Amino acid sequence: GAGVSQSPSNKVTEKGKDVELRCDPISGHTALYWYRQSLGQGLEFLIYFQGNSAPDKSGLPSDRFSAERTGGSVSTLTIQRTQQEDSAVYLCASSFRTSGVTYNEQFFGPGTRLTVL
Amino acid sequence: AQTVTQSQPEMSVQEAETVTLSCTYDTSESDYYLFWYKQPPSRQMILVIRQEAYKQQNATENRFSVNFQKAAKSFSLKISDSQLGDAAMYFCAYRSGLTNFGNEKLTFGTGTRLTIIP
Repeated sequence: GAGVSQSPSNKVTEKGKDVELRCDPISGHTALYWYRQSLGQGLEFLIYFQGNSAPDKSGLPSDRFSAERTGGSVSTLTIQRTQQEDSAVYLCASSFRTSGVTYNEQFFGPGTRLTVL
Repeated sequence: AQTVTQSQPEMSVQEAETVTLSCTYDTSESDYYLFWYKQPPSRQMILVIRQEAYKQQNATENRFSVNFQKAAKSFSLKISDSQLGDAAMYFCAYRSGLTNFGNEKLTFGTGTRLTIIP
């Protein structure tokens, strides 16, 4: 595709329900990142994938949060038993990451706005 | 851990004037990258400008330029000839210069909302 896409664009859910957020990276991009943007805050790193593995999960705020990536492409971020503090915009980014190359630009999707009632 | 601070939650500027957005950061690393991203209401983060820490020369992209002061850990963005389309949230971000996998994550400041006054 032309850019990183995310679905749904907006999601409203009730407290306690599970949600799945999807990210389609730019074709051929090996690295994929999830960030969270809470109201009035900057972006907060959640997890990074290189291929299908996640070398860095350090930003996941609790065990209610998990993510997977299949086929080196699409990624799904799952939030179980959602809480009101999970309300935020969830942004995905991808880059073409290769070993030994110091810089690869991250291209961002438009995000999913999650509202937990 | 690295931190990025933007102390100006909001700024405004007259159209065609110049505005400077401030950013400071803290790191113990000597090799790193600094970025300014623009986020319009569409939510899509757009890279405005990038600075490599090892380069002494300040980066410039058309009307956008930075003032990188490595010793002071300061990285400000200057927008010249401001246009209505520049109105957005602007985020300063940091990335480690280490090349091993797992160091590419971006650390962001809390952003500055820029308003352009016609």
